[in-house]
Amino acid sequence: GESVGLHLPTLSVQEGDNSIINCAYSNSASDYFIWYKQESGKGPQFIIDIRSNMDKRQGQRVTVLLNKTVKHLSLQIAATQPGDSAVYFCAEIRMTTDSWGKLQFGAGTQVVVTP
Amino acid sequence: DGGITQSPKYLFRKEGQNVTLSCEQNLNHDAMYWYRQDPGQGLRLIYYSQIVNDFQKGDIAEGYSVSREKKESFPLTVTSAQKNPTAFYLCASSIGTGLTGELFFGEGSRLTVL
Repeated sequence: GESVGLHLPTLSVQEGDNSIINCAYSNSASDYFIWYKQESGKGPQFIIDIRSNMDKRQGQRVTVLLNKTVKHLSLQIAATQPGDSAVYFCAEIRMTTDSWGKLQFGAGTQVVVTP
Repeated sequence: DGGITQSPKYLFRKEGQNVTLSCEQNLNHDAMYWYRQDPGQGLRLIYYSQIVNDFQKGDIAEGYSVSREKKESFPLTVTSAQKNPTAFYLCASSIGTGLTGELFFGEGSRLTVL
């Protein structure tokens, strides 16, 4: 059955500090990973992606690290700002039976930025 | 501006009623998706469509139905067979398959069963 009323893991960060959000994925055959940010009551927004042939990718204030050995993904946010408060999801691409890629989302991490 | 429009944003339904959530995109994307989001959980795929007049079940399709008569439209019907329909529903689209890039999401529709 469904799980009801789960609480998201929460990361509390002081404004100006760096944030590190972690994600463990399950399929060693996944080819592509994406981080999304979701603000309250809104749809997720793309932050950054990384392919399985890379270990690191940098964007504006964000860095994604991929460790395929332990199937771990992390998102680092530099100089965290109040506007970074949101739920962050990692997603992996798994191939479906008809060879079509389908995103599989993690449960998410709530980031709370304190002044 | 290009994007994905979901309506209504909030919807209330009595038990036993079917409701249809609208999703329209003007991004000229081939693929469209419906996800369900429950508190404290990730997004779960309900249905997806790679092309007009074709769609496939996702992980939790029971109690839902969709149609894809036009490229820009992918409505979701929550039927009375869905036992726990109260949730936040997200529609998304992508240029091609998920392997080629990101999903673009709408703002969501929150359905509450009274």
